[in-house]
Amino acid sequence: DIVLTQSPGTLSLSPGERATLSCRASQSVSSSCLAWYQQKPGQAPRLLIYGASSRATGIPDRFSGSGSGTDFTLTISRLEPEDFAVYYCQQYGSSPPWTFGQGTKVEIK
Amino acid sequence: EVQLVQSGAELKKPGESLKISCKDSGDGFTSYWIGWVRQMPGKGLEWMGIIYPRDSDTRYSPSFQGQVTISADKSISTAYLQWSSLKTSDTAMYYCVRQWSVAQLERRYFDLWGRGTLVTVSS
Repeated sequence: DIVLTQSPGTLSLSPGERATLSCRASQSVSSSCLAWYQQKPGQAPRLLIYGASSRATGIPDRFSGSGSGTDFTLTISRLEPEDFAVYYCQQYGSSPPWTFGQGTKVEIK
Repeated sequence: EVQLVQSGAELKKPGESLKISCKDSGDGFTSYWIGWVRQMPGKGLEWMGIIYPRDSDTRYSPSFQGQVTISADKSISTAYLQWSSLKTSDTAMYYCVRQWSVAQLERRYFDLWGRGTLVTVSS
């Protein structure tokens, strides 16, 4: 199975700041089959980014994804109050199981 | 707007059986796969398995193979996750998700999530 390691575990930032989240895979992820999800307390996750860099429907353009191979990044250009949440990366390029990272919590500083 | 509507929270005892459901509110239930994701209290996300309701083709994560059963009834656009004998370690939130394809790598992401069903197993 492909193991995804997210860093940092927690990111403490202020509204308006830039957030950079990392996701590293234990082996190359096929065809950039990497997604990012946002989960707020008490809510289901929602898809932000798929294909490493494509924004899902309705996702603001302050969210951007990049990377390929084993290293991927989610960037939030200017944090809004509603962006403080937990973010998960997921790979879906291999044979099942399709694995998730352990999550990065973005909290208000 | 299509939604995946999940059944309500459950409180069960160890050894009991359980079947939770996920109903597709739209009319495309046989056009995509429905998967299940577990989230244990305070933990991350784990992919459990998926089913293609059109022909009931089912795939399981090795971690969950033999522990749960995934099924679907296309006549009522509903997928199910079932346990025959619950353990306390099954206590978790369970989400159903939509996945457009398995064969096409680039369409395997989960673009729609249900709100989750909280399963609590306690004596």
